[in-house]
Amino acid sequence: DTGVSQNPRHKITKRGQNVTFRCDPISEHNRLYWYRQTLGQGPEFLTYFQNEAQLEKSRLLSDRFSAERPKGSFSTLEIQRTEQGDSAMYLCASSFQRDSYEQYFGPGTRLTVT
Amino acid sequence: ILNVEQSPQSLHVQEGDSTNFTCSFPSSNFYALHWYRWETAKSPEALFVMTLNGDEKKKGRISATLNTKEGYSYLYIKGSQPEDSATYLCAFMETGYQKVTFGTGTKLQVIP
Repeated sequence: DTGVSQNPRHKITKRGQNVTFRCDPISEHNRLYWYRQTLGQGPEFLTYFQNEAQLEKSRLLSDRFSAERPKGSFSTLEIQRTEQGDSAMYLCASSFQRDSYEQYFGPGTRLTVT
Repeated sequence: ILNVEQSPQSLHVQEGDSTNFTCSFPSSNFYALHWYRWETAKSPEALFVMTLNGDEKKKGRISATLNTKEGYSYLYIKGSQPEDSATYLCAFMETGYQKVTFGTGTKLQVIP
């Protein structure tokens, strides 16, 4: 399968713990996006990379959130000192620069903070 | 903050019925409008990307229209089937930006 993959698919953690999610985009895609979706809402943009450069960050991304894409391939999203309000589905998507309209999504990581 | 709205929020239809949903978005700085289908436990699947005013796209029993001047798009499903049950999301892409702003989705349930 050459689609976008995300790990883990589910994560349950206690408040105050740190968590890290991984996204592996489609191999030739140079753009990678992170979104968060909470119940009853559509996905909300968090951040976007072109190759290894983080080009845009939403104001939703507090200081406790950090994302990296060190070699321009996979990306990680880390949440430090998790809060119950961080419980959500975290979606990753990738796209190819020359076909920049269409983003391909992974299945998401569902985070539950207890 | 861009306002992208979808209606209705949820919909139950009988198998074989035709249905349609609405997505409204800002009429300025339009770049593209996406429609996605998101089934439970799966990845959101791209249905259409629409870029020109008056665009009409079709894929099987599903079609979509676009009016960028007034800021709306319709998604139509003809002869709904149980496998059409999903959440349908529209997403607005603004000129000069790469992020998309999603609507809250329309959850469709097709009853056999």
